[in-house]
Amino acid sequence: GENVEQHPSTLSVQEGDSAVIKCTYSDSASNYFPWYKQELGKRPQLIIDIRSNVGEKKDQRIAVTLNKTAKHFSLHITETQPEDSAVYFCAASIRVLTGGGNKLTFGTGTQLKVEL
Amino acid sequence: DARVTQTPRHKVTEMGQEVTMRCQPILGHNTVFWYRQTMMQGLELLAYFRNRAPLDDSGMPKDRFSAEMPDATLATLKIQPSEPRDSAVYFCASGLDRFTIGRESSGNTIYFGEGSWLTVV
Repeated sequence: GENVEQHPSTLSVQEGDSAVIKCTYSDSASNYFPWYKQELGKRPQLIIDIRSNVGEKKDQRIAVTLNKTAKHFSLHITETQPEDSAVYFCAASIRVLTGGGNKLTFGTGTQLKVEL
Repeated sequence: DARVTQTPRHKVTEMGQEVTMRCQPILGHNTVFWYRQTMMQGLELLAYFRNRAPLDDSGMPKDRFSAEMPDATLATLKIQPSEPRDSAVYFCASGLDRFTIGRESSGNTIYFGEGSWLTVV
C-alpha cells in the first residue's frame, strides 16, 4: 500500500520567514496530493492541492511543488504570520483498483509555530 | 455552505459500552471515509465507502469495529465493546469521485466533518 512520510514533525519560524514542509510517497501510481491545515481542536481543512500532471501550483502565500520522478512534494509558505500556526498534513491519493475510487493516505503531520 | 455533519461531537463512555457515531456526508458526494486521529498515530484510515459500498476497511479492528452506510445520507461507525485505547477523535469525510472505468481520474478532494471526540474510561 501507499506510505507517506512527512518532515519535519515540528517547525518553528519567525514571523515573516518562509516555511517548507516535505513529503515523500511510495506508490508511483499516486495521482493527487492535497495539503490540509488543522488548527487546535478543529477539523483538517484543505488549503491547496496538486495533481500529478502539474509540477507546481501557487495560491497567494502558499505554493506546492511536485517531483514525480523523486516521488516527493513540498508545501511552501512565504511571509508567515501567527495565524499560520497549526498542524499541516500532506496526503497522497491512489486509485483503489477494486470498485474504483481514490484513497487518501496521510503523512504524520508537521506542527508549525510562527513566533512573533 | 455545505458541510459534513457528525454526531455526537463529544462522548464519554465506560469501557464495555457500545458507541455509535454518525455522519451525514455532503449532499451529492459519493465517497465517505472514517479516520481516527490520535497524538501517536496521526490520521488513520478506518473505512472507505464509494456509492455506499465498502471498498476498504483494512485499517479497522474487525473484532470490535463496524462501519455501514444504510443510505446515501448516513454513515455509521460502531464500536462494541469499547475500550480505553479507542479514545480518539473520529473524523468522517466525504468527497465526489468522478472516476469512470477506462478514463483517468481527476483525483478526489475530501472534506472533513468536525469530528466526534470519544473518551472511554
